[in-house]
Amino acid sequence: EDKVVQSPLSLVVHEGDTVTLNCSYEVTNFRSLLWYKQEKKAPTFLFMLTSSGIEKKSGRLSSILDKKELSSILNITATQTGDSAIYLCAVEASGTYKYIFGTGTRLKVLA
Amino acid sequence: SAVISQKPSRDICQRGTSLTIQCQVDSQVTMMFWYRQQPGQSLTLIATANQGSEATYESGFVIDKFPISRPNLTFSTLTVSNMSPEDSSIYLCSVQPGGNYGYTFGSGTRLTVV
Repeated sequence: EDKVVQSPLSLVVHEGDTVTLNCSYEVTNFRSLLWYKQEKKAPTFLFMLTSSGIEKKSGRLSSILDKKELSSILNITATQTGDSAIYLCAVEASGTYKYIFGTGTRLKVLA
Repeated sequence: SAVISQKPSRDICQRGTSLTIQCQVDSQVTMMFWYRQQPGQSLTLIATANQGSEATYESGFVIDKFPISRPNLTFSTLTVSNMSPEDSSIYLCSVQPGGNYGYTFGSGTRLTVV
């Protein structure tokens, strides 16, 4: 059965800290991996990763995929209180157009 | 990427009643997806809605409980029928507009059943 596991489940840090969130997956015929930020109801798109070893970067956020290890990490540097949210990882198996979501990591950044 | 208008934003409903959630997309899309997020849980796919055909439901979800309409390429509705407190969740519609943007989500409907 396809599955996506994220760790840690929750994390509390102070402003300025750097955090690394993990996502590991087991799917048939991996196609792509997505990272989302969920603050209230609707998740907002962060990154799409399809190729191993290529880092995607946006401001203080970056992400990289390791197909050999079946995993991805999301890094946030110089965290701010506005980074407090649930970060979701989702994986698409080839030909399905459906994404399987992980349980999410709840990040809280303290001032 | 696509913009999705979802309503209602939230509702409190009596058990045994039904609620219909609407999603309007600003562009034509082939597939629309409906997700549920129960409190403290991740997103679970309910069904995939294609225009002109019946929705495809995931394991554990049935048409009688979650009927879906898809009358055209920009609009879909999900009805939560005969509600119980266990249906209290956030319901999200989404589309895959193509390119490197993954899913785009509607603003979500927070449903509370009392």
